[in-house]
Amino acid sequence: AQKVTQAQTEISVVEKEDVTLDCVYETRDTTYYLFWYKQPPSGELVFLIRRNSFDEQNEISGRYSWNFQKSTSSFNFTITASQVVDSAVYFCALSNFGNEKLTFGTGTRLTIIP
Amino acid sequence: ETGVTQTPRHLVMGMTNKKSLKCEQHLGHNAMYWYKQSAKKPLELMFVYNFKEQTENNSVPSRFSPECPNSSHLFLHLHTLQPEDSALYLCASSPRRTSDPHEQYFGPGTRLTVT
Repeated sequence: AQKVTQAQTEISVVEKEDVTLDCVYETRDTTYYLFWYKQPPSGELVFLIRRNSFDEQNEISGRYSWNFQKSTSSFNFTITASQVVDSAVYFCALSNFGNEKLTFGTGTRLTIIP
Repeated sequence: ETGVTQTPRHLVMGMTNKKSLKCEQHLGHNAMYWYKQSAKKPLELMFVYNFKEQTENNSVPSRFSPECPNSSHLFLHLHTLQPEDSALYLCASSPRRTSDPHEQYFGPGTRLTVT
């Protein structure tokens, strides 16, 4: 069975602070994919990143960075120099090779205080 | 129109009504999905269609009936719903070029309230 845990239900930080959102996953498969999505107040989930289980290199995209560690089954997401527009609910998700089903975590609501 | 669109954005219906949710994707994708998002619960996958064929029914009650007439359109027909069915219903699509799971692109959702 697959499971994604986002232990942080809500986080608030002051604008320009860095913030890390945690994601821990469980799967018995050796080939799997991890995703992060952002859900702003408008409701539409926005795809941020897709990473496969064989690629443990950290990735940076502008102010966003992701730290994938198979040893701890974690795929954490860091926003550097946060901005008010980063306020949203962020979801981590997992899918196995050959399976289009995404297993989502319960999400972390991030509020950036101006 | 670009991306994934959903209509209506908001819907209030009684338990004896029949209504339909519509989803359209303009991305040339082959797979389409219905999800249910309830407060404080993970997104629940309801149905998956690949090339218009239903490949997944995640134990969804029969009062929800999907229809996929072509790769660009997906409907969710609703009848005799219960108040606990009130939720945000999200549609998504993905390329499904290979067996690798691809990122899914979501619509803005339909906020459904059952009274």
